[in-house]
Amino acid sequence: EIVLTQSPATLSLSPGERATLSCRASQSVSSYLTWYQQKPGQAPRLLIYGASNRATGIPARFSGSGSGTDFTLTISSLEPEDFAVYYCQQRSKWPITFGQGTRLEIK
Amino acid sequence: EVQLVESGGGLVQPGGSLRLSCAAAGFTFSSHWMHWVRQAPGKGLVWVSGVNGDGSIAMYADSVKGRFTISRDDAKNTLYLQMNSLRGEDTAVYYCVRDGVPQGMAVWGQGTTVTVSS
Repeated sequence: EIVLTQSPATLSLSPGERATLSCRASQSVSSYLTWYQQKPGQAPRLLIYGASNRATGIPARFSGSGSGTDFTLTISSLEPEDFAVYYCQQRSKWPITFGQGTRLEIK
Repeated sequence: EVQLVESGGGLVQPGGSLRLSCAAAGFTFSSHWMHWVRQAPGKGLVWVSGVNGDGSIAMYADSVKGRFTISRDDAKNTLYLQMNSLRGEDTAVYYCVRDGVPQGMAVWGQGTTVTVSS
């Protein structure tokens, strides 16, 4: 199966700062890479699909880039509501797999 | 309004069985792949199983293959997950998820909790 490795495990930043989250795949997933945000006690929320396409209603401060094996989620200027756990997911090959998550916490 | 509502979770002994249901509303159910994704307490997301729109293709994670069965009733707009031979490591919140092209897993239910313990 395709293993997704997210880094860092935890990212401590302040509101207004820029966040850069990484997801690396064990083999190419082309652009079949999705990003989700999850807050405590809530279901995940789709942020980015196809590596770089924002989902409906997602603010422009969220952007995704990459293809093949290396992907990045960037939050240009952190808002208080952005502190959460972020997961990447590949749907290039079965089984669908998720990364282990990056926790974005307030510094 | 697009909505997924899971039910059927609970406490079950190791080796026992449970059937989860997911009632869908607000969209053409038969047009979408549907999935189950689980999350153990304090852990990350794990895809469990998926089924295509007419139920003819079902896929499973290796960890549940042979023990879990996904199915759907498009007349009732309902997705199911039959879970047999349950183990402690199956303890998790189970989410029902709607797939879509090209967005992927855009719609999630609120989850139902399964606890496997004696």
